[in-house]
Amino acid sequence: QKEVEQNSGPLSVPEGAIASLNCTYSDRGSQSFFWYRQYSGKSPELIMFIYSNGDKEDGRFTAQLNKASQYVSLLIRDSQPSDSATYLCAVRDGFQKLVFGTGTRLLVSP
Amino acid sequence: SQTIHQWPATLVQPVGSPLSLECTVEGTSNPNLYWYRQAAGRGLQLLFYSVGIGQISSEVPQNLSASRPQDRQFILSSKKLLLSDSGFYLCAGQRGLTYGYTFGSGTRLTVV
Repeated sequence: QKEVEQNSGPLSVPEGAIASLNCTYSDRGSQSFFWYRQYSGKSPELIMFIYSNGDKEDGRFTAQLNKASQYVSLLIRDSQPSDSATYLCAVRDGFQKLVFGTGTRLLVSP
Repeated sequence: SQTIHQWPATLVQPVGSPLSLECTVEGTSNPNLYWYRQAAGRGLQLLFYSVGIGQISSEVPQNLSASRPQDRQFILSSKKLLLSDSGFYLCAGQRGLTYGYTFGSGTRLTVV
């Protein structure tokens, strides 16, 4: 069973700062990685995906992948209170399933 | 784009009662479909997934079952609910390997 590890947090950052969320995974052969945001009481929504080593930027979000270290991270620049949520890391398991971490709770204070 | 419809949003059921949660998909043909449960403050637990009509894979032994009677319909059922079945039930669809999942809005089930 593939595993995805995340620090549960909470990670507290002030408004305007960079939030750095980290995730490690157990299967060296994993190829596809996803970040979801889940607000309290709501369903997860996909915010980023990354397949290649390096950085991928989308607006204030940057996903970083290092396959050699089996590490994927999500940076949120200029953090806003509306970014306060739980962030789930997911790794594709074979062709059909995603394996999710338990999530990191982010708190952005005004 | 793919839209996942789930209902009801909340449900309170007594122990021992049956359960039927329905999920329908709009905008995609032949999607992979998934049922997840999320207990309070916990991660997502994959319960069942389906790659086509009548094809169900079970991830966790339990008193729940799933069925896929039509391409865009996925049903989660139980004959007798347990207190431990309480949680947030999420249906998800995947429309291709290059994409992640799209989740429905979820059903919050409380078994009393």
